[in-house]
Amino acid sequence: DSGVTQTPKHLITATGQRVTLRCSPRSGDLSVYWYQQSLDQGLQFLIQYYNGEERAKGNILERFSAQQFPDLHSELNLSSLELGDSALYFCASSPSGGRYEQYFGPGTRLTVT
Amino acid sequence: AQSVTQPDIHITVSEGASLELRCNYSYGATPYLFWYVQSPGQGLQLLLKYFSGDTLVQGIKGFEAEFKRSQSSFNLRKPSVHWSDAAEYFCAVGKAAGNKLTFGGGTRVLVKP
Repeated sequence: DSGVTQTPKHLITATGQRVTLRCSPRSGDLSVYWYQQSLDQGLQFLIQYYNGEERAKGNILERFSAQQFPDLHSELNLSSLELGDSALYFCASSPSGGRYEQYFGPGTRLTVT
Repeated sequence: AQSVTQPDIHITVSEGASLELRCNYSYGATPYLFWYVQSPGQGLQLLLKYFSGDTLVQGIKGFEAEFKRSQSSFNLRKPSVHWSDAAEYFCAVGKAAGNKLTFGGGTRVLVKP
């Protein structure tokens, strides 16, 4: 158990819909990262937040957005869903102050039908 | 841009035999290197990391990896595999503290009895 929690574990929804994925980082970790794992793209970095502020952006679609709240949990919002958005979405967190390893949550499997 | 290549998509090894997984990275400066393991239906677990110093690093579950700057490689090894080592293994690189990870395509390991 990494200490990173993600809800829900599974999500099945229809095309055109909007969903919200939630992540709680390990206690004390200020950085939260979102990654997408799909069969065709592999594991890709989406976005990073540090202490409530967006720190870095990767291959995140405009239909996707994220935020980190004062209690440091984060949400990833996916809208106008397409079949190709079906994937495993991981959240990771890392300590600050020079240490760097990222700890991953169990993931949310999104299926768009 | 940084990149990671894992040349072997699948590897089959007999239980008790040794295992070596290859990882080559592309990055101009000294990278931060990681190996993660993903068991079926699970999240990513950190096996080991290299930041600096001794180029042979020890990790959990009896794994070790060696950083070779001249070959831009960070290969993962285990002297004697167990059936529970069947999983997918990912090599990753980061270029600075608190930065995103770039993952290789993964190597799926099958362990024969």
